[in-house]
Amino acid sequence: DTGVSQDPRHKITKRGQNVTFRCDPISEHNRLYWYRQTLGQGPEFLTYFQNEAQLEKSRLLSDRFSAERPKGSFSTLEIQRTEQGDSAMYLCASSPTGMRTDTQYFGPGTRLTVL
Amino acid sequence: AQSVTQLDSQVPVFEEAPVELRCNYSSSVSVYLFWYVQYPNQGLQLLLKYLSGSTLVKGINGFEAEFNKSQTSFHLRKPSVHISDTAEYFCAVNTGATGNQFYFGTGTSLTVIP
Repeated sequence: DTGVSQDPRHKITKRGQNVTFRCDPISEHNRLYWYRQTLGQGPEFLTYFQNEAQLEKSRLLSDRFSAERPKGSFSTLEIQRTEQGDSAMYLCASSPTGMRTDTQYFGPGTRLTVL
Repeated sequence: AQSVTQLDSQVPVFEEAPVELRCNYSSSVSVYLFWYVQYPNQGLQLLLKYLSGSTLVKGINGFEAEFNKSQTSFHLRKPSVHISDTAEYFCAVNTGATGNQFYFGTGTSLTVIP
């Protein structure tokens, strides 16, 4: 399977703990996106990378959130001091070049539950 | 700010009946429009996209959508639905004003009734 993969698929944590999610994009895709999806809502943009450079961040991404793509391949999203409001599905997507006309290919998501 | 409105949160329809899922967007600049489908426990998958040219766009699984600039709409249609079309459908817009940010609607849950 050469699609976008995310790990873990599910994460349950206690409030105040740190969590880290991983995304492996489609091989050779230059652009990688992170989204958050809450119940009854569509995906909300968080941030994106062009290769290893983080080019844009949403104001939804508070200072407790950090994302990296160190070698321009896989990416990690870390949430520090989790809050119950962080409970959501975190989606990763990749696209070949980053052009606005690109199709984004989505992974299955990581569902985070903060108790 | 850009926005996408999906007017129907839930649409039940009988098998083999036609369906239309509505999407309106707000933008004063050129837009690229997309429809994605999300099957249970799966990632979002592109159904179709409008970039330019013909306003009628055909996608996978027999779906099509029509871009209407004057009404700022991009409604999704299928003439005859199947049980397997039961899923969540998301309309999304990407405009030049937002760089490469996609704005998604809140989704329409399509349930096909046997």
